[in-house]
Amino acid sequence: EVQLVESGGGLVQPGGSLTLSCSASGFTFNTYPMHWVRQAPGQGLEYVSAINGNGVSTVYADSVKDRFIISRDNSKNTLYLHLSSLRPEDTAVYYCVKGHQWAKYGMDVWGQGTTVTVSS
Amino acid sequence: QTVVTQEPSFSVSPGGTVTLTCGLSSGSVSTSFYPSWYQQTPGHAPRTLIYTTNTRSSGVPDRFSGSILGNKAALTITGAQADDESDYYCVLYMSSGISVFGGGTKLTVL
Repeated sequence: EVQLVESGGGLVQPGGSLTLSCSASGFTFNTYPMHWVRQAPGQGLEYVSAINGNGVSTVYADSVKDRFIISRDNSKNTLYLHLSSLRPEDTAVYYCVKGHQWAKYGMDVWGQGTTVTVSS
Repeated sequence: QTVVTQEPSFSVSPGGTVTLTCGLSSGSVSTSFYPSWYQQTPGHAPRTLIYTTNTRSSGVPDRFSGSILGNKAALTITGAQADDESDYYCVLYMSSGISVFGGGTKLTVL
């Protein structure tokens, strides 16, 4: 069974940094793209970033480009999202999502999410 | 910037059929956008229903189906049940390599 467990969320001040982790199990991690999706309180889902299986190719939404960095450690079956220069509008639940064979095919299995709150 | 459009809300009677759509603020949706659909109930993580236009995700009942209708992607629910009452989101893959969510449709079953 595919399992995705996010961690690392919390309260951070504007301008601060945070790194989210997603521990994956139940599938061959290095053969699938992975995604991050977020949801601000009371709002819809927003696509954040994706990374391919070998970690070479990444994409970012314009709203987070140059502030967030997605990465993965295939030896640890773990996905990361480093958030920096955080703004109050980055406050959201961040979901780690396993992709299908190709990132363009969309998202497959979702984690339960970790909450990031940006506030002074 | 291209916006992915969805009906803000929709209602369906129990046992009825409803079709939700996913369009573009400029242009038409085709299979090249690899449309996918997700269901979310309040307080829960989303669940994948459909990917690559019409492929059902594992465990999704066949009363959920995806298609292209005219210039939009569509999600059809036949024989609607009370627990289908949820928010439904579509995603389109853009030529830039980034995926974009629609604003979501709140489906009421009553």
